[in-house]
Amino acid sequence: AQSVTQLDSQVPVFEEAPVELRCNYSSSVSVYLFWYVQYPNQGLQLLLKYLSGSTLVKGINGFEAEFNKSQTSFHLRKPSVHISDTAEYFCAVSDTGGYQKVTFGTGTKLQVIP
Amino acid sequence: SAVISQKPSRDICQRGTSLTIQCQVDSQVTMMFWYRQQPGQSLTLIATANQGSEATYESGFVIDKFPISRPNLTFSTLTVSNMSPEDSSIYLCSPRRIDTQYFGPGTRLTVL
Repeated sequence: AQSVTQLDSQVPVFEEAPVELRCNYSSSVSVYLFWYVQYPNQGLQLLLKYLSGSTLVKGINGFEAEFNKSQTSFHLRKPSVHISDTAEYFCAVSDTGGYQKVTFGTGTKLQVIP
Repeated sequence: SAVISQKPSRDICQRGTSLTIQCQVDSQVTMMFWYRQQPGQSLTLIATANQGSEATYESGFVIDKFPISRPNLTFSTLTVSNMSPEDSSIYLCSPRRIDTQYFGPGTRLTVL
């Protein structure tokens, strides 16, 4: 079974500043990793994913994440945030076989301050 | 990606009644997952619906309370039975396509 830890429940950041949202996972098998974003009163949108290959993954809206197997981390970064990035961000993990059920972290609320 | 629609988008229901949520996907998918997101919380997997077999339920969820149908590869329903206020949540269907799960817009359920 997998688990995901998002240590920061809320992250306030000023507009145009960089941001990093932290995610650590635990699994005894190979994993796929995901970041989803949920804007207020909306469903979840896939931001980016790591399935294999390059450990640096680029997603939509200027976000990127780096898979670090030794540290079991998949932190999300953006060099310059915009007001429209205010949302909740969920890190998620699945194993690579079987039903590939996705397990979600508890989420990080990113609040961009003008 | 995938185009996913859910009906209803929201509903307010009375205690003891049942609600069936429909999920339609724009193309065929083998695996369909149903999640619940309680207010202010993360997503919890209810069950996995693999077309052609019985749904598999996670610990804490039972078929009598959350029956699922999967009549074809583009459609699924989740019923929330004998509702109580504790069932007030957002319910999301999630089809999987090529190792990635996508999410419907959700059904916001309030039980009075």
